Amino acid sequence: ETGVTQSPTHLIKTRGQQVTLRCSSQSGHNTVSWYQQALGQGPQFIFQYYREEENGRGNFPPRFSGLQFPNYSSELNVNALELDDSALYLCASSPDLGVGYTGELFFGEGSRLTVL
Amino acid sequence: GNSVTQMEGPVTLSEEAFLTINCTYTATGYPSLFWYVQYPGEGLQLLLKATKADDKGSNKGFEATYRKETTSFHLEKGSVQVSDSAVYFCALSGSTDSWGKLQFGAGTQVVVTP
Repeated sequence: ETGVTQSPTHLIKTRGQQVTLRCSSQSGHNTVSWYQQALGQGPQFIFQYYREEENGRGNFPPRFSGLQFPNYSSELNVNALELDDSALYLCASSPDLGVGYTGELFFGEGSRLTVL
Repeated sequence: GNSVTQMEGPVTLSEEAFLTINCTYTATGYPSLFWYVQYPGEGLQLLLKATKADDKGSNKGFEATYRKETTSFHLEKGSVQVSDSAVYFCALSGSTDSWGKLQFGAGTQVVVTP
């Protein structure tokens, strides 16, 4: 069983640029959630995709956007990068949110973004 | 809104010592509670969970009991090992409508020395 994989693992961008981060969900999982983890902080929920539709969003501006593809992989896009966007971006997948699901998330190792 | 507060670290212990990490929460209704662990260089892993009041989650010698009366979910381990060195996160999911949308605490770093 393949776990959650994210790419790239590290990247450096400059202020104002755009970035795309990618995530492959664990086999059999149809839900992907994205989190931002600033240094020394807990992860903050960005948004969730369930069966290719956005299914909830945290307190992040519209320049944070996402997609989920038919194979349930996902992208996180951030436009007009700011210095405060420097963080570890975590993708987490979960099985169907229906009956029997008890809330566990399966996390990837993250993409570390540095904005200069 | 929902929130999670956990004790600040780092917590430094000797091997075989008793570990407690305090976690309290604020939420409406009946949240599910989780402890996740992040080992150096790795992603977060679920350590244990409890989905209703008075439930006890346990795994790898760690335990936590969901206490609704004190809105707490403290993590304990009776005898820690060097391999338990990691960052521990308490988290909650507000309701079934919030599945996968976890509210995390700031994390507590635990350092276990031989």
